[in-house]
Amino acid sequence: AQSVTQLDSQVPVFEEAPVELRCNYSSSVSVYLFWYVQYPNQGLQLLLKYLSGSTLVKGINGFEAEFNKSQTSFHLRKPSVHISDTAEYFCAVRNTGRRALTFGSGTRLQVQP
Amino acid sequence: ETGVTQTPRHLVMGMTNKKSLKCEQHLGHNAMYWYKQSAKKPLELMFVYSLEERVENNSVPSRFSPECPNSSHLFLHLHTLQPEDSALYLCASSQGDLLSGNIQYFGAGTRLSVL
Repeated sequence: AQSVTQLDSQVPVFEEAPVELRCNYSSSVSVYLFWYVQYPNQGLQLLLKYLSGSTLVKGINGFEAEFNKSQTSFHLRKPSVHISDTAEYFCAVRNTGRRALTFGSGTRLQVQP
Repeated sequence: ETGVTQTPRHLVMGMTNKKSLKCEQHLGHNAMYWYKQSAKKPLELMFVYSLEERVENNSVPSRFSPECPNSSHLFLHLHTLQPEDSALYLCASSQGDLLSGNIQYFGAGTRLSVL
């Protein structure tokens, strides 16, 4: 079985400040890792993914994440946030033998002016 | 616009009603999914269809009945629901085998309220 832990349920931050949203996972097999964003009243949109190769992956809207196998982490970062980044962010994993994603409980990013 | 369309966007139903949620994908994908998003809980996978065959069923109560008539359409038939079934129901689709990225694209969801 695999699980995903998002350590912070809410992260308030001021506009133009840097932010890090934390994600840790546990799995006994190899996994693929994803970050999704959900804006109010919308579905989930893929921000970025780690499948293989370089452990630093870049996504849309200036976000990036680093896969750390030894710490089983996949933290999401942005050097300077905008008001429009206010949303719910979900970390998810999929093991290579299944189609289903396992999601974390989400982190609400609240960007204040 | 993700290429995955869900209707209706909002649904209110009584516990004795029968209704259906519809999902249509315009991406040419070969797998489709239903997820349930409840307040304060992680997204839960309900069903997975690959090439129109159900390949996963996550111990979902029988009052939820999925149907996948072709690779572009997925339905979730609802009957005799309970108030705790109120949630956002998300549909997703993906393309590829298990060893590829198999990226899932989500619809905007149906917000269901059971009275």
